[in-house]
Amino acid sequence: LAKTTQPISMDSYEGQEVNITCSHNNIATNDYITWYQQFPSQGPRFIIQGYKTKVTNEVASLFIPADRKSSTLSLPRVSLSDTAVYYCLVGRNQGGKLIFGQGTELSVKP
Amino acid sequence: GAVVSQHPSWVICKSGTSVKIECRSLDFQATTMFWYRQFPKQSLMLMATSNEGSKATYEQGVEKDKFLINHASLTLSTLTVTSAHPEDSSFYICSARDLFGAASNYGYTFGSGTRLTVV
Repeated sequence: LAKTTQPISMDSYEGQEVNITCSHNNIATNDYITWYQQFPSQGPRFIIQGYKTKVTNEVASLFIPADRKSSTLSLPRVSLSDTAVYYCLVGRNQGGKLIFGQGTELSVKP
Repeated sequence: GAVVSQHPSWVICKSGTSVKIECRSLDFQATTMFWYRQFPKQSLMLMATSNEGSKATYEQGVEKDKFLINHASLTLSTLTVTSAHPEDSSFYICSARDLFGAASNYGYTFGSGTRLTVV
């Protein structure tokens, strides 16, 4: 399983774009990159998943460079409710266990 | 979308007693379920993987006799914390994998968690 490295914490203000980068130097050919969001005392919630280049959905974008050794989660115009811990996970989409790294604690201020 | 119901959301028990936590997949069949434990300000730590109809696979360092896992059907897995002690107080979270991967989150859905406090 590829190990991931993320910043421990980030601060932002409402309305700003937030980019959280995750390093995964040992990513395997069959691995996907998935981001989860977790609020206090709740289970993680799926945000976005990608394999290469760019993926966008209604809540975020995921940028993956050609070498796939890192990825960046982009949250446009964050609000106070985006304050949470964000986890980057790397692995196959074949039902294997999900191993969580330390995550990034994002704090959005007014 | 796929929903996983975890019950109870919180429980307080006396030291030495046992507590059962249920994890149900409401609208899909889950061949595999995962149990995590999370201490304050820490990440989720995988405890065990349970497969329907077979014994659970425990991660290194997790006592299988203390954390009993049963996955008797494709929609229900239970975690029983036996002879609980204050150090078992934690946030327990289950995750279920959609049998056919039809869930929008590419197969993994998490429960809302159970806050266990042992006094």
